[in-house]
Amino acid sequence: AQKITQTQPGMFVQEKEAVTLDCTYDTSDQSYGLFWYKQPSSGEMIFLIYQGSYDEQNATEGRYSLNFQKARKSANLVISASQLGDSAMYFCAMRYNQGGKLIFGQGTELSVKP
Amino acid sequence: EAGVAQSPRYKIIEKRQSVAFWCNPISGHATLYWYQQILGQGPKLLIQFQNNGVVDDSQLPKDRFSAERLKGVDSTLKIQPAKLEDSAVYLCASSLVLANYNEQFFGPGTRLTVL
Repeated sequence: AQKITQTQPGMFVQEKEAVTLDCTYDTSDQSYGLFWYKQPSSGEMIFLIYQGSYDEQNATEGRYSLNFQKARKSANLVISASQLGDSAMYFCAMRYNQGGKLIFGQGTELSVKP
Repeated sequence: EAGVAQSPRYKIIEKRQSVAFWCNPISGHATLYWYQQILGQGPKLLIQFQNNGVVDDSQLPKDRFSAERLKGVDSTLKIQPAKLEDSAVYLCASSLVLANYNEQFFGPGTRLTVL
C-alpha cells in the first residue's frame, strides 16, 4: 500500500540557516509524483515543489529544493536561508495512479528562531 | 485567477445535527477533491470528482457523509448526523487535469467543531 512517512514531528532552525525536512515513501507504482505543501496557522495548503518519479534532476523552486533519492525512496525538502515566515507545518505528499488522490504524511512543524 | 473558494470558514454544531459545506473550484478545473484534516494529522481524501462523476469515494463514511457536484462545477459536502469525531478542517482542492504531475490547488478550508 502507498504510504508517506515524516519522522520529524517538530524542527527548530535559526533564521538564515538551512534546514532539511525528511520524507520517505512507499509505493510499487513506477509512475508517481511527490509534492511538498506548507500549511501556515491560517490553514491553507500552499504548494511548494514537485518531483516526478522519472525526473532525473532534483527539483528546485527558489529557496526550496527537493533531494530525491529514488533507490532509497526518499524525497527530503531543503529550505535554504530560513526566514521567520517559514514557520509552519510542512506536508510531504504522493500522487499516483495517474491523477488520483494525494497521500499525505503526518507533517513536520517547523519553527524558525530569530 | 481566482483560487478555490469555500464557505463557511467556520461552523460549530451539536452532535446529531446536519451541516453542509460548499466549494467552488478554479474555473476550468475538471477534478475536485474533498479532504478531511483532523488536528495533528495530514489531510485524508474523502471523495474525488472528475467533472460530475465520482472517481474515488472509498474513504467516505457513506452512512453519514454525502457529496455532489452538479453540472461539474460547484460541490457540496454534507454530514448528517454529525458525530464528535467529525470535528476537523474540511479542505476542497481542484486540479486542471487528471495526472500525477498536476498540482492540486487548495481552498482555505472549513473548520468544523462538533460539540
